[in-house]
Amino acid sequence: DGGITQSPKYLFRKEGQNVTLSCEQNLNHDAMYWYRQDPGQGLRLIYYSQIVNDFQKGDIAEGYSVSREKKESFPLTVTSAQKNPTAFYLCASSSGALAYTFGSGTRLTVV
Amino acid sequence: GEDVEQSLFLSVREGDSSVINCTYTDSSSTYLYWYKQEPGAGLQLLTYIFSNMDMKQDQRLTVLLNKKDKHLSLRIADTQTGDSAIYFCAESMTSGGSYIPTFGRGTSLIVHP
Repeated sequence: DGGITQSPKYLFRKEGQNVTLSCEQNLNHDAMYWYRQDPGQGLRLIYYSQIVNDFQKGDIAEGYSVSREKKESFPLTVTSAQKNPTAFYLCASSSGALAYTFGSGTRLTVV
Repeated sequence: GEDVEQSLFLSVREGDSSVINCTYTDSSSTYLYWYKQEPGAGLQLLTYIFSNMDMKQDQRLTVLLNKKDKHLSLRIADTQTGDSAIYFCAESMTSGGSYIPTFGRGTSLIVHP
């Protein structure tokens, strides 16, 4: 079955540590996206990539980094510069306006 | 800039109709969507409407669009406990070939017996 896989489902980070969230899709979608979800705040766009080896900052890119070396993969690194990283992170991919598909999310907690 | 507004909570009795409302600001929106998010999961596209339509019906779901007032609504007929979830309104338009949607904050629908 085609879809998007995010891993891990739960992730714990110590203060000052970088962590990487995985996002893999087998839908052959060109575009991929990372969102952050906080309670009552909806989805905020972190980074997006429309083709391999290219990506753009979204609304809240500070403290995050991404890479897009393969069409199928768009990992997100939460760096130590992100002061409040505890949130639910969602990855999505699309091939057009009506083919926007989300993964099941990673819940990141700072301990 | 783009902005999508929706109320945060809605509580209904099982069997009643639910109406979730949304307003948006960008008059050049091409597509308007409703997504559903169940606890601990990603978002699933429920339904959508093109900006040149006024209404769309899909089984228990009815979407109404008032372009003049920039108002979108989702009506769920015969609401069931399984409809309890967060519902997101979103809009997008073509921009250099991309369709990045702008999402509202989500409406938590609580269905009680």
